Amino acid sequence: DAGVIQSPRHEVTEMGQEVTLRCKPISGHNSLFWYRQTMMRGLELLIYFNNNVPIDDSGMPEDRFSAKMPNASFSTLKIQPSEPRDSAVYFCASRTYLAGIGADTQYFGPGTRLTVL
Amino acid sequence: AQKITQTQPGMFVQEKEAVTLDCTYDTSDPSYGLFWYKQPSSGEMIFLIYQGSYDQQNATEGRYSLNFQKARKSANLVISASQLGDSAMYFCAMRLPSGSARQLTFGSGTQLTVLP
Repeated sequence: DAGVIQSPRHEVTEMGQEVTLRCKPISGHNSLFWYRQTMMRGLELLIYFNNNVPIDDSGMPEDRFSAKMPNASFSTLKIQPSEPRDSAVYFCASRTYLAGIGADTQYFGPGTRLTVL
Repeated sequence: AQKITQTQPGMFVQEKEAVTLDCTYDTSDPSYGLFWYKQPSSGEMIFLIYQGSYDQQNATEGRYSLNFQKARKSANLVISASQLGDSAMYFCAMRLPSGSARQLTFGSGTQLTVLP
């Protein structure tokens, strides 16, 4: 079974450029999460979707960040314009959300390592 | 506010021995879930084990077991018979059933090194 797929795996760009990160969740999962991981701040939740609808984007650092989920099998995280402090590993995770069910484990993609010069 | 604490930044263990990674949590909600993830040097996050707050027994998955002490609010991960491939960063996480949120809050992680 295919897990969560993220692309690209590595991205190096220059300050001011637009960056688009892509995620394909596990088929059948109805929740999708975007995280950012840095040494200083650890794992931070940026935004998550239930059934393609953004539920909470309070973790998005600023207006330069935006996320979309046009359908159940695809999501993007866009940074425009990018800055050096955006350098981090960005993870996408998905799960099956069922009210009242216990585990609903999140499964993570391999991550995109972003470097902004 | 909910909080997850991992007090061991780094741990060393001899191959084939058991090791316990500590995790404490703080919440006033009676319903919650606790997760452990492994992050090897390659970077991916791998789900290991889950414990629900109402589960009567400690969770086990192969060589992984979760020592759940509810009164102490601790959820330590025990790895038996350590292998070199267990060397990785380990994260404890908690999920609360707050409405439709149910997102995870992660601890700062413990770097485990298995020595040959």
